[in-house]
Amino acid sequence: QKEVEQNSGPLSVPEGAIASLNCTYSDRGSQSFFWYRQYSGKSPELIMSIYSNGDKEDGRFTAQLNKASQYVSLLIRDSQPSDSATYLCAGGTPYSSASKIIFGSGTRLSIRP
Amino acid sequence: SQTIHQWPATLVQPVGSPLSLECTVEGTSNPNLYWYRQAAGRGLQLLFYSVGIGQISSEVPQNLSASRPQDRQFILSSKKLLLSDSGFYLCAWSVGGEVSPLHFGNGTRLTVT
Repeated sequence: QKEVEQNSGPLSVPEGAIASLNCTYSDRGSQSFFWYRQYSGKSPELIMSIYSNGDKEDGRFTAQLNKASQYVSLLIRDSQPSDSATYLCAGGTPYSSASKIIFGSGTRLSIRP
Repeated sequence: SQTIHQWPATLVQPVGSPLSLECTVEGTSNPNLYWYRQAAGRGLQLLFYSVGIGQISSEVPQNLSASRPQDRQFILSSKKLLLSDSGFYLCAWSVGGEVSPLHFGNGTRLTVT
């Protein structure tokens, strides 16, 4: 069974600090990785995509990928109360003309004032 | 721009009743289409995905089925609902023919009583 693993949290971070979210995956065929944010009762929204080893930055968000270690992370700088949500890590494996995208169970992040 | 519509938003159905959830995508052609289910407090479980009309891949054997009668229409069905079918059902699309992120609809919250 191909899996994506995340610490369920909750992860509590003071406002203005850096939040660090981690994810590991078991399928070495996975080529693409995504971070989604999900507010309670809402559908997931895409934050970051990362396809190659290294760091990718977008505003306050930085995604990091290490394929050798099968490890993906998301850093959120200058954390804001609006960042309080569940963060889902997902890995995509090419299959036919699509990609099977498997999600972790999510990490609940709480930003405390 | 692309948009995805999913309905209904909420649904309460008795055990043993049929189910039909519909999803349509606008603004793109030949998308990959997906159905996920999220149980309360859990991650997203991939149910079905489709790379084209009439092409359905099932990930989890269960009493659900999916159909794609038109290029941008994806339907999730059941002949007889079980209590365990309760959950948050999410339709998503991605660009066809490549590994790309998912974009989700607003979801359907199904309660089976």
